[in-house]
Amino acid sequence: DIQMTQSPSSVSASVGDRVTITCRASQGISSWLAWYQQKPGKAPELLIYAASSLQSGVPSRFSGSGSGTDFTLTISSLQPEDFATYYCQQANSFPPTFGPGTKVDIK
Amino acid sequence: EVQLVESGGGVVQPGGSLRLSCAASGFTFHDYALHWVRQAPGKGLEWVSRIAGYGDGGSTIYADSVRGRFIISRDNSKTSLYLQMNSLRTDDTALYYCAKESGSYLWGMDVWGQGTTVTVSS
Repeated sequence: DIQMTQSPSSVSASVGDRVTITCRASQGISSWLAWYQQKPGKAPELLIYAASSLQSGVPSRFSGSGSGTDFTLTISSLQPEDFATYYCQQANSFPPTFGPGTKVDIK
Repeated sequence: EVQLVESGGGVVQPGGSLRLSCAASGFTFHDYALHWVRQAPGKGLEWVSRIAGYGDGGSTIYADSVRGRFIISRDNSKTSLYLQMNSLRTDDTALYYCAKESGSYLWGMDVWGQGTTVTVSS
């Protein structure tokens, strides 16, 4: 199975900050990576698919990049509603595997 | 509106069984693959199982941790997804989500239900 890691595990940031989260796959996954946002007590929501494609309805302050084994999720200007946990997931092969998550909280 | 609503969770003793359901609406159900994903209390997301859509013959795959104990199925006439869970263990305790695949496995899971809680405890 492909192992996914994320860094940092948590980040404290202020409204308006630029936040970058990194995801690494244990082997190449081309561009088949998705990012999800999960708020406390809520289901995950798809933000980005195919590494850099913005899911419909997701604000443009979210962006994704990368290919192969290294990927990033960037929030260009953090908003109050963005405080959440973010997960990456590889969709290159079965089984799908998730990263351990990155919690973004208020500084 | 595309919607997934899970039900069937509860408290069960180790070794017991439970059947989860996921009622779908707002999309052409038989065309899409569906997944079960779980989240243990305070932990991250763990994929459980996938069932393909009608066009791919409804094939199924499982995580190693549940293979041989869990069975995923779907009833396209009822637009419902199921997860039959047998030989439950304490480490199966989690919030179970059903999720719709985006249209291709490569594009992730674009719709999630609110989850149903399974607690395995004596």
